[in-house]
Amino acid sequence: DIVMTQSPDSLVMSLGERATINCRSRQSLFYRPKNKNYLAWYQRKPGQPPKLLIYSASTRASGVPDRFSGSGSGTDFTLTIRNLQADDVALYFCQQHYTYPFTFGAGTKVEI
Amino acid sequence: QVQLVESGGGVVQPGRSLRLSCAASGFTFSRHGMHWVRQAPGKGLEWLAVISYDETTIYYADSVKGRFTISRDNSRNTLYLQMNRLRPDDTAHFFCARGSPDAAVLDYWGQGTLVTVSS
Repeated sequence: DIVMTQSPDSLVMSLGERATINCRSRQSLFYRPKNKNYLAWYQRKPGQPPKLLIYSASTRASGVPDRFSGSGSGTDFTLTIRNLQADDVALYFCQQHYTYPFTFGAGTKVEI
Repeated sequence: QVQLVESGGGVVQPGRSLRLSCAASGFTFSRHGMHWVRQAPGKGLEWLAVISYDETTIYYADSVKGRFTISRDNSRNTLYLQMNRLRPDDTAHFFCARGSPDAAVLDYWGQGTLVTVSS
């Protein structure tokens, strides 16, 4: 199984700041035939199911504000949240969708 | 809009069985792969199983292989998870999720149903 490691465990930010969350996979998530990295980011608020933010490392899901961006390739990936809003307080976690079994990072808690 | 509603959770004794259902609406169910994911208390998310839109492809996590069975009824827009030989460490919130057609990511999730395995 592909192990996913996220850092940091938590972030305490101020409104309007930029938050950066890192995710590392034990093996490359780059799929050469499609020239894509199969890494997704989700947001989870208390009492709610996860919401897909980013897939294929950098593609925003439908309706996701452009304050959220994903980057990285191979084994190292980053989720960046620009101009942090109060509504962004949540748990963020990464997931590889390169191969089954899909595996998740442990999550990063973002607080204001 | 896309809706996924899980049901069938509850308290069950170790060694017994339980079947979870996930009722889908707001999209063409028969065109999407579907997944089950769980989260045990205090733990992270654990992907469990996937079934393709036409049931021809199924994968399981090793932790549930041989005990859990994923299935679907496209005529009823419903996904199932048959769980046999349940153990206390199967206690978790169980979520169904839709697979996106292009990238196989989990693009919509249900609210989840709680399964507690305890004597």
